[in-house]
Amino acid sequence: KQEVTQIPAALSVPEGENLVLNCSFTDSAIYNLQWFRQDPGKGLTSLLLIQSSQREQTSGRLNASLDKSSGRSTLYIAASQPGDSATYLCAVRGNDMRFGAGTRLTVKP
Amino acid sequence: GAVVSQHPSRVICKSGTSVKIECRSLDFQATTMFWYRQFPKKSLMLMATSNEGSKATYEQGVEKDKFLINHASLTLSTLTVTSAHPEDSSFYICSAWRGDTGELFFGEGSRLTVL
Repeated sequence: KQEVTQIPAALSVPEGENLVLNCSFTDSAIYNLQWFRQDPGKGLTSLLLIQSSQREQTSGRLNASLDKSSGRSTLYIAASQPGDSATYLCAVRGNDMRFGAGTRLTVKP
Repeated sequence: GAVVSQHPSRVICKSGTSVKIECRSLDFQATTMFWYRQFPKKSLMLMATSNEGSKATYEQGVEKDKFLINHASLTLSTLTVTSAHPEDSSFYICSAWRGDTGELFFGEGSRLTVL
């Protein structure tokens, strides 16, 4: 059974810092990995989707990498802003879809 | 990006009544939709996988007769919480799989409060 772990559980940084969120998974037989953002009391917003054949995807200040063989993905956020404060979740699609518990990010002005 | 609409966003009901939540994919056909429950400050808990035209697949521990799921069309899945109790109060979220890209899109969630 796929298990997805996100580290750290919470992160607080000053505005402007670059930061990395980590996601690890136990079964490398995946179709894709997706990063989401969730604001309090809201649904999830898709940030980046990486297919199993890809190594990374970029969107604006966000860059997600995937190392399927080691079961790891990172989400890099450049020049963080207070508006980036949210919970970030990674989801791994194999035979089903499994989510990590999320990293709660706070960017302080 | 693709849009998934969930309705209602908030609902308050009396104990013992039933509540229906709708999940619609607005600009793509979704043969597979998912229903989740989320407790405060916790991650998503998958309740069931809904496949168009067939019975939903429920996760272990989720009562099928309490949480009725219907996926009658390629753009609509519904979750009905039957005989609701206060412990059913939670945030329910749906998602839809876009088959051509493999990307998952989420609704905005529905907050259920059972008095």
